[in-house]
Amino acid sequence: EPEVTQTPSHQVTQMGQEVILRCVPISNHLYFYWYRQILGQKVEFLVSFYNNEISEKSEIFDDQFSVERPDGSNFTLKIRSTKLEDSAMYFCASGLALYNEQFFGPGTRLTVL
Amino acid sequence: SQQGEEDPQALSIQEGENATMNCSYKTSINNLQWYRQNSGRGLVHLILIRSNEREKHSGRLRVTLDTSKKSSSLLITASRAADTASYFCATVVDSNYQLIWGAGTKLIIKP
Repeated sequence: EPEVTQTPSHQVTQMGQEVILRCVPISNHLYFYWYRQILGQKVEFLVSFYNNEISEKSEIFDDQFSVERPDGSNFTLKIRSTKLEDSAMYFCASGLALYNEQFFGPGTRLTVL
Repeated sequence: SQQGEEDPQALSIQEGENATMNCSYKTSINNLQWYRQNSGRGLVHLILIRSNEREKHSGRLRVTLDTSKKSSSLLITASRAADTASYFCATVVDSNYQLIWGAGTKLIIKP
């Protein structure tokens, strides 16, 4: 069964460093998402991406964040200058159509020191 | 704003019993989705119910939706130890893309 994959599973970085989190969505899906979950808290929406552009973003997704679909398979989230409060589990998701199920990857645990 | 809120926050039952979790939300929705998460791992999609549907089944799962009360319930019948996990509801409103999440119900199935 096709699934969303994410790499790395765990990333440790120093405050102020740039990180790139990578995702490979399900191949025929058209809608792509990033969410994050700070330990013990709710899942929070960051951004959605459709037709090669951002379709919706939250207040969390400020100028330090960017997304890219550099080729037909990868979907990346870049944090330009990480802060301590960026430490969280980051989930990528994809969906076939708007208002359909969103299927999630296993997540990348980002630890900012 | 808080959209989905699950109730109870935690539930502990014996294996074989049924588990019921509830979710309430504030605004009109396009659909509501239930997810399972094991110990801080990935989010597994369980079931999607649309605003014009009242009930859906998938295996041992039964989901109901009452749009007049802005609430949904997830019933797991004949629970198993492997059902131990956190369960989240998440809603999508019309003209938005994002899932808005509740805080989850932590379900423990005692053998």
